[in-house]
Amino acid sequence: GESVGLHLPTLSVQEGDNSIINCAYSNSASDYFIWYKQESGKGPQFIIDIRSNMDKRQGQRVTVLLNKTVKHLSLQIAATQPGDSAVYFCAENGLNTGGFKTIFGAGTRLFVKA
Amino acid sequence: NAGVTQTPKFRVLKTGQSMTLLCAQDMNHEYMYWYRQDPGMGLRLIHYSVGEGTTAKGEVPDGYNVSRLKKQNFLLGLESAAPSQTSVYFCASSYSEQGYGYTFGSGTRLTVV
Repeated sequence: GESVGLHLPTLSVQEGDNSIINCAYSNSASDYFIWYKQESGKGPQFIIDIRSNMDKRQGQRVTVLLNKTVKHLSLQIAATQPGDSAVYFCAENGLNTGGFKTIFGAGTRLFVKA
Repeated sequence: NAGVTQTPKFRVLKTGQSMTLLCAQDMNHEYMYWYRQDPGMGLRLIHYSVGEGTTAKGEVPDGYNVSRLKKQNFLLGLESAAPSQTSVYFCASSYSEQGYGYTFGSGTRLTVV
């Protein structure tokens, strides 16, 4: 079946450096992608999204890149801060058996060293 | 701006006990979802609803029941809790089936002993 996965389970970066978190998806029919941040003991929070008719979208300190050719999604965080420490996971939504379905990846834990 | 509110936040149950998790949203979203989150795994869909009075099974529905009597509320019931249902449960809502506007609650940590 379709799945959303992450290449790295943990990522450790120095404060001030840029972070890149990767995600692979397998459903070629997916046309909407979302990145979430989940802090310890809290629910997932929306960070940024992108539709399949775009290959890049920027927010405040975050950029999402979409490569449909290789079915790859990445989240770039500029000037990473201690408050960015959390689990980040991607989600894809697309037409699937039985209708539209949103599938979530397991997540990457980001550690920011001061 | 409450968004999605879940109650309770924590609960410990004995095997065989029953309970209901409550979810309320104030965004007038049509779609509501219940997920469970287990270590090392992505969110797994238990049940969902596409509107008031409707419910449907997700990926892991066994052992759970749901009801959506009012548009703003989505209830998740465990009739006879089992240790395998120890997990963190998240409710979410969205305004479209394509996932736009997906908003999560803060979660309920359930332990079944």
